[in-house]
Amino acid sequence: DAGVTQSPTHLIKTRGQHVTLRCSPISGHKSVSWYQQVLGQGPQFIFQYYEKEERGRGNFPDRFSARQFPNYSSELNVNALLLGDSALYLCASRPGLAGTTGELFFGEGSRLTVL
Amino acid sequence: DAKTTQPPSMDCAEGRAANLPCNHSTISGNEYVYWYRQIHSQGPQYIIHGLKNNETNEMASLIITEDRKSSTLILPHATLRDTAVYYCIVLLYSSASKIIFGSGTRLSIRP
Repeated sequence: DAGVTQSPTHLIKTRGQHVTLRCSPISGHKSVSWYQQVLGQGPQFIFQYYEKEERGRGNFPDRFSARQFPNYSSELNVNALLLGDSALYLCASRPGLAGTTGELFFGEGSRLTVL
Repeated sequence: DAKTTQPPSMDCAEGRAANLPCNHSTISGNEYVYWYRQIHSQGPQYIIHGLKNNETNEMASLIITEDRKSSTLILPHATLRDTAVYYCIVLLYSSASKIIFGSGTRLSIRP
């Protein structure tokens, strides 16, 4: 079975541009979360979506937005990119809000470099 | 802020048991202890979780002290592929998607 898939795997943008990152959860998983991981640090929670509704948001500016589609895939959008947005963006899925096992399944991430 | 304290780095000989400690002195009664690891350039991988009883699965064992203020992740026979950053996390079961990662422990397995 396919795991969590993310695209693109790598991308380079310049300051002020906009970026869209995509995530497909594991089949049957309805909850998707997004994390930002800056080099040398642990991942930081950005958003959680469940059944197309935002269920949680971390401490990130309004330049960051996301949405979830009827097929449970998700997009993370970042506007007006800053150098500090350079990071690995991770998507994770789980069956529901409170799954039977509690584990979160992560994708391999999209590495964004802002020049 | 993360609710856990872990040593920044550890090393272990290949084939030996790797014991990774974690302090979580402010854990509340309904918070679980989760462990994830992140191998270089990959997404984090779930290892194990527990509430108050010791847990074991095919990857590792989790030992939680009786007062639940600390725990130890045990990799029984460490291999080079276990080299990774290990994160100890405490959170409510219902909030298991909103993980607050700390800095973790960088585990190096030496041949």
